[in-house]
Amino acid sequence: DAGITQSPRHKVTETGTPVTLRCHQTENHRYMYWYRQDPGHGLRLIHYSYGVKDTDKGEVSDGYSVSRSKTEDFLLTLESATSSQTSVYFCATRTSSSSEAQYFGPGTRLTVL
Amino acid sequence: GQQLNQSPQSMFIQEGEDVSMNCTSSSIFNTWLWYKQDPGEGPVLLIALYKAGELTSNGRLTAQFGITRKDSFLNISASIPSDVGIYFCAGQIPGNQFYFGTGTSLTVIP
Repeated sequence: DAGITQSPRHKVTETGTPVTLRCHQTENHRYMYWYRQDPGHGLRLIHYSYGVKDTDKGEVSDGYSVSRSKTEDFLLTLESATSSQTSVYFCATRTSSSSEAQYFGPGTRLTVL
Repeated sequence: GQQLNQSPQSMFIQEGEDVSMNCTSSSIFNTWLWYKQDPGEGPVLLIALYKAGELTSNGRLTAQFGITRKDSFLNISASIPSDVGIYFCAGQIPGNQFYFGTGTSLTVIP
């Protein structure tokens, strides 16, 4: 358990509205990740961060942006939400060691109507 | 992206039976992880494997890092009702990205 919290835990929004999800960690882990989980697809990486202000794209990054201004916070923004972004979003963290596993937050269930 | 083939997709077993599941990939990984996810919660790490051929146990769970570095196995011995959930494998390639299997749904019948 890496002391990861996500907010909000549930959100319903309308198509075209901006949405920001927050991930907060208390363990000072260097790496942070955003995944989405959909039936039949497992967990897919959206974006990740390898340090403050250092981010990179994952395999499903279109329509999403991220920011990391502090070690403990990693924000995921949907600039204009679409129904295809209805999903469960998980944040994960990892220490700076090259052989450490990822630890997950509790998830945010997002519904875009 | 990388393809991780996880099998079986689902299992229905009697309490007390042993369980085996596996993940295979066309790519070489340098880390294999196994997670369990309960409904409405995030995945919880069960076992981490870092060397080809490594065999690691966590209570009734045993996992192995395949010698070819393209597969991994998870065994659960003497299953109990609380083993119910979805089990995911994940592999890491150099460059820090992890790729996940689509999960094995386990149902334990008392």
